[in-house]
This record gives sequence, C-alpha cells and structure tokens, in this order.
Amino acid sequence: GQNIDQPTEMTATEGAIVQINCTYQTSGFNGLFWYQQHAGEAPTFLSYNVLDGLEEKGRFSSFLSRSKGYSYLLLKELQMKDSASYLCAAHILTGGGNKLTFGTGTQLKVEL
Amino acid sequence: NAGVTQTPKFRVLKTGQSMTLLCAQDMNHEYMYWYRQDPGMGLRLIHYSVGEGTTAKGEVPDGYNVSRLKKQNFLLGLESAAPSQTSVYFCASTQDRRTGELFFGEGSRLTVL
Repeated sequence: GQNIDQPTEMTATEGAIVQINCTYQTSGFNGLFWYQQHAGEAPTFLSYNVLDGLEEKGRFSSFLSRSKGYSYLLLKELQMKDSASYLCAAHILTGGGNKLTFGTGTQLKVEL
Repeated sequence: NAGVTQTPKFRVLKTGQSMTLLCAQDMNHEYMYWYRQDPGMGLRLIHYSVGEGTTAKGEVPDGYNVSRLKKQNFLLGLESAAPSQTSVYFCASTQDRRTGELFFGEGSRLTVL
C-alpha cells in the first residue's frame, strides 16, 4: 500500500524558518511533490524532487532522500501569507499512467 | 487562459439524488483526475483517466462513476448521493507523465443532506 506521513499542525513566528517533514512508503515511486493550499482554495505547486538532495527556489527549499523515504520543505523568512496547508505528495508511476498520492497536509500558522 | 474549470462550484443534494460534476481543461492534457478532500483526510483519488476514452479506479471509487468521452472533459457522476459523499471535489490534469505536476480546478463543494 501507499503510506505518507506529515505532521498535522505547526506554528512559527514571522521572519523565522520552519521545516515541514514528510515520510513515505510507496511502490512505483518516481518523485515527491510539495503543494501549498490556502483555505478554500485549490492546491498550488511549490516543488518537485526526483533526485536526492536540496532544491532551492526563493524562500522555499525542498529536500529528498530516496533511500530513507524522507523529504522536507523549508520555508525561510516566514510571512503571514505563508499561513496555509502544505501537502506532501508521492508521484507514482503505474503501468500506463501516473498519479499523485497525498499526505493529509500540515497546517502551518504564522504568528507575529 | 482558463486552465481547469469545474462546474458547479457549489451544490446541495438530498440523499438518493443524482448529479454530475463537470471538469474541463483547455491545455490539451492527457491525464485527468478527480480527488475528494475531507478534513483530516487529505486529498484522496477517486478515479483518473490516462487519455480520451479511458478511466481507472483510484483509492476511493465506490459510489462514483466517471467518463472521458472527449479529451478536454472528465465527468464525475454520483448515481445515488449519500451523506458520506459530502466533500470538496477537485479536478486536476497534467500532460507530462514523467514530471506529473498537477494543475487543479477551483473545487466543487457538495453537501448531501
């Protein structure tokens, strides 16, 4: 089966750094996505890691270790607008297609 | 550039009624998906399609049917709605099988009384 775990909630202070962890156990694994979802809105793409290592994109960075089944999303210089749910998703390649299996999401609250 | 469009955005049904959610994408994407999102459960895949005329079951397909008669449209049907199907439904599409980035619609909030 597919299993993806991430913390339910996190709280951080404006201007600080926060790391959101995700562990996964899946078959057919091809890569790891991170999406951001504000309340009442659709998820929006943040990052995609296929290879091991860190990928940086502005204030957001994402890390993947395929051997450990582990990823994290790092948010720097937190802003109030970063308060949202962060979804970890495993990209699964099947026989003829592909699909994403999502974790339950981490609700991040940024406080003053 | 509309992207992925879902209709309707909101709907209230009585138990036993039927309805269809329409997803339309204008990006010529091959792959389309229907997810439901419930509090504490995350996004769960209902059905998906790898191309026109094809459909496949996801994690939670029971109580739903789908059709992909045209490449740009993916329909999700509820034949006999149940309160357990109260949820927010998201349609998504992608062109690239290898990178798999999903483009989501805005969601459809369905309440079954």
